[in-house]
Amino acid sequence: AQTVTQSQPEMSVQEAETVTLSCTYDTSESDYYLFWYKQPPSRQMILVIRQEAYKQQNATENRFSVNFQKAAKSFSLKISDSQLGDAAMYFCAYRSARGGANNLFFGTGTRLTVIP
Amino acid sequence: DTGVSQNPRHKITKRGQNVTFRCDPISEHNRLYWYRQTLGQGPEFLTYFQNEAQLEKSRLLSDRFSAERPKGSFSTLEIQRTEQGDSAMYLCASSRRGQGVSETQYFGPGTRLLVL
Repeated sequence: AQTVTQSQPEMSVQEAETVTLSCTYDTSESDYYLFWYKQPPSRQMILVIRQEAYKQQNATENRFSVNFQKAAKSFSLKISDSQLGDAAMYFCAYRSARGGANNLFFGTGTRLTVIP
Repeated sequence: DTGVSQNPRHKITKRGQNVTFRCDPISEHNRLYWYRQTLGQGPEFLTYFQNEAQLEKSRLLSDRFSAERPKGSFSTLEIQRTEQGDSAMYLCASSRRGQGVSETQYFGPGTRLLVL
């Protein structure tokens, strides 16, 4: 079974600074998808960014970017110019590209605090 | 697009009682997922529907749990003879069948269950 590990239970960053959240995963598959989801306090989970394993180019969405290292099975999230609204739980997730396997495997999350 | 909705948002019950949760997916999303999230953990997959067919069930889904999606629209998750260990946030997500990473799961706000 696939496992996703987030080794940083909590992180903090000064407003306007940059922070990197780490994620590693274990899989024997060669094709898969990786995601970062954000879960603000008492609010629903929303997708931040996604990456296809066969793409070497790292995904970028505005202030959010990833560093995807397939050989190392690492998928870190970089948040630039951090804003107060970025404070949330961040979950890394894995989904197989195998037909019929659609569920997400999540890590345990990293709680990000943004300091004004 | 009104988003995924879940009812009730909170449920307190006594051990041994039955509870039922409802999920209304985004319209035209033919895939629907149930996840369970306990405190300090990431969501864990429970079950998945494509239209009205339940295609996959996790081993976490004991025989006290049953899920339905009649007519391929809303879904219900029932827990019979609740136990204190069932206390968790139950999340619903929906997606439209697509190709690869473009198939994004959109999450509802969840139903928080407390079993006394």
